[in-house]
Amino acid sequence: EDQVTQSPEALRLQEGESSSLNCSYTVSGLRGLFWYRQDPGKGPEFLFTLYSAGEEKEKERLKATLTKKESFLHITAPKPEDSATYLCAVQARNTGNQFYFGTGTSLTVIP
Amino acid sequence: KAGVTQTPRYLIKTRGQQVTLSCSPISGHRSVSWYQQTPGQGLQFLFEYFSETQRNKGNFPGRFSGRQFSNSRSEMNVSTLELGDSALYLCASSLAATGAIPQETQYFGPGTRLLVL
Repeated sequence: EDQVTQSPEALRLQEGESSSLNCSYTVSGLRGLFWYRQDPGKGPEFLFTLYSAGEEKEKERLKATLTKKESFLHITAPKPEDSATYLCAVQARNTGNQFYFGTGTSLTVIP
Repeated sequence: KAGVTQTPRYLIKTRGQQVTLSCSPISGHRSVSWYQQTPGQGLQFLFEYFSETQRNKGNFPGRFSGRQFSNSRSEMNVSTLELGDSALYLCASSLAATGAIPQETQYFGPGTRLLVL
């Protein structure tokens, strides 16, 4: 069973059209949920760490929230430079001290 | 502070050869993890090293191995390369080993793109 599921797989937005990406997880004993941005051919770039349900973090046009079973990455008024793949990862008591990554959401923002 | 560095950035090898990839973590970070990233499978965990000891290993064959040096730099080796080993190999470093409470963030390097012909 997948530990982390991201949806949608791909998302196309018009510039300025706000939306949300979803990361749902089935692990228990969450120790941390992490959001990364990855540009083609590059390593993932760290965005946010969330530790407990109800926690929220913001950075420019991005806002990450966490509940007991999922996390959302809200993108407000996106710009073309926000186009990238967004990855979610979890680390928890039942993941054997490993980070488990979702397969990502590929975001394209059209000017 | 300098980020995670990986060398080389690109490699082309043929089947049956072996390859060694290198990773230098962020200064002060003692944990280094390796991942394989392919379009179909996403990021797959290979192994983690902390204080020169392998702490955890993913579901990869024994052809994949690694080590960590006293300065926290790490290398991974793949022997008897197969076509399916073509991938982006990513190294990530963090202050503490995974499983710490709270869990430390992992920071990734740019990756090594390996192509096996």
